[in-house]
Amino acid sequence: QVQLQQWGAGLLKPSETLSLTCGVSGGSFSGFYWSWIRQSPGMGLEWIGEIDHRGVTTYNPSLQSRVFFSVDTSKSQVSLSLTSVRDTDSATYYCAKGRVLGWLLSDNWFDAWGQGVLVTVSS
Amino acid sequence: DIQMTQSPSSLSASVGDRVTITCRASQSMSNYLSWYQQKPGKAPSLLIKAGSSVESGVPSRFSGSGSGTDFTLTISSLQPEDFGTYYCLQSYGVPYTFGQGTKVEIK
Repeated sequence: QVQLQQWGAGLLKPSETLSLTCGVSGGSFSGFYWSWIRQSPGMGLEWIGEIDHRGVTTYNPSLQSRVFFSVDTSKSQVSLSLTSVRDTDSATYYCAKGRVLGWLLSDNWFDAWGQGVLVTVSS
Repeated sequence: DIQMTQSPSSLSASVGDRVTITCRASQSMSNYLSWYQQKPGKAPSLLIKAGSSVESGVPSRFSGSGSGTDFTLTISSLQPEDFGTYYCLQSYGVPYTFGQGTKVEIK
């Protein structure tokens, strides 16, 4: 059964860059897409985007100008960078296992999640 | 973006009650909808995928139905462990969007 473990800095100042990593174990890494999702009291759950083992990405257009995903297949890890953070980026950030590689974008659901990392942006 | 409107926003029901949560999409989206349960302090957990397919390991009292714009999550007989917040997610269009959640409390 696949497990996702997340880590990264939890306290940032405005304009800094958020960096989180998600490590995958116990299952296929290259056979799926890996999504990032965040949750805040104000915005609820928000899908940030997804990446596969080749580095193919799809981003939420609302964040596309500030977000970047990367992948390290040798370590079965995906990473999220969000630049120029502001207080509205304060949220719990999750990584999640999504669609099977080769499936349509619409054939997607999230059947495994990381534990979440609380990120607070404050001056 | 496709807007997902969930109702009710909260409910309180007794053990054994039948509970129904609905999600309405702002446009038709076939059955590209999934349902999640979230307990306080935990990540969401998948219950239903593709509108009506129950995820492996999920109790059979959970079911999903609907297609197009209107979807329903039903708990046939509410159990004490079913407290939490329930969310729908549409994957028909990018960006994927979630409903705002339904908080379920046990009376």
